[in-house]
Amino acid sequence: DVKVTQSSRYLVKRTGEKVFLECVQDMDHENMFWYRQDPGLGLRLIYFSYDVKMKEKGDIPEGYSVSREKKERFSLILESASTNQTSMYLCASTFLDRASEQYFGPGTRLTVT
Amino acid sequence: KQEVTQIPAALSVPEGENLVLNCSFTDSAIYNLQWFRQDPGKGLTSLLLIQSSQREQTSGRLNASLDKSSGRSTLYIAASQPGDSATYLCAVFNAGNNRKLIWGLGTSLAVNP
Repeated sequence: DVKVTQSSRYLVKRTGEKVFLECVQDMDHENMFWYRQDPGLGLRLIYFSYDVKMKEKGDIPEGYSVSREKKERFSLILESASTNQTSMYLCASTFLDRASEQYFGPGTRLTVT
Repeated sequence: KQEVTQIPAALSVPEGENLVLNCSFTDSAIYNLQWFRQDPGKGLTSLLLIQSSQREQTSGRLNASLDKSSGRSTLYIAASQPGDSATYLCAVFNAGNNRKLIWGLGTSLAVNP
């Protein structure tokens, strides 16, 4: 079974802190994605990566950066957390064809106070 | 611009009923359509993926249909059970330049014992 894991289920951070969210997949997938999910807005793509050290901006990249140093690991970084980044963050991965089935992690509920 | 709509936003049915969830999209230039399930506070689980050339896909009690020309998909759940209670999300993978998943907001389903 494909497994996508995220470093934390729940996280509480203060405004201005640097926050790292980590995602690891064990199926040798080429593509990895970070989404945020908010009530009434649905899932929005923040960044995705199609290979090690390669990344592309999604729909809402402002205030975020990403890092992919190893194929299995994709990190989302909030350089200076703000209250409007309070959200559910979901990581996903797919094989080379990014149109293929997406496998999701359990999510990280981030609260910024 | 592709838009995905799911109606109704919420649905409550008694156990044992057969039910249909609806998904519509505005641009027929898609690679595939995907249905996901999300339990409260959790990540997403892929249920069915229908390629643009296919008309339907089945998995157990679930059957998803696709009518690309009319921009519609339905997810049919047979003999519903309380364990089916979850939010069901539909997403289309765009063809063309904007190659990514476009998400609906979901239908929240409650199956009452």
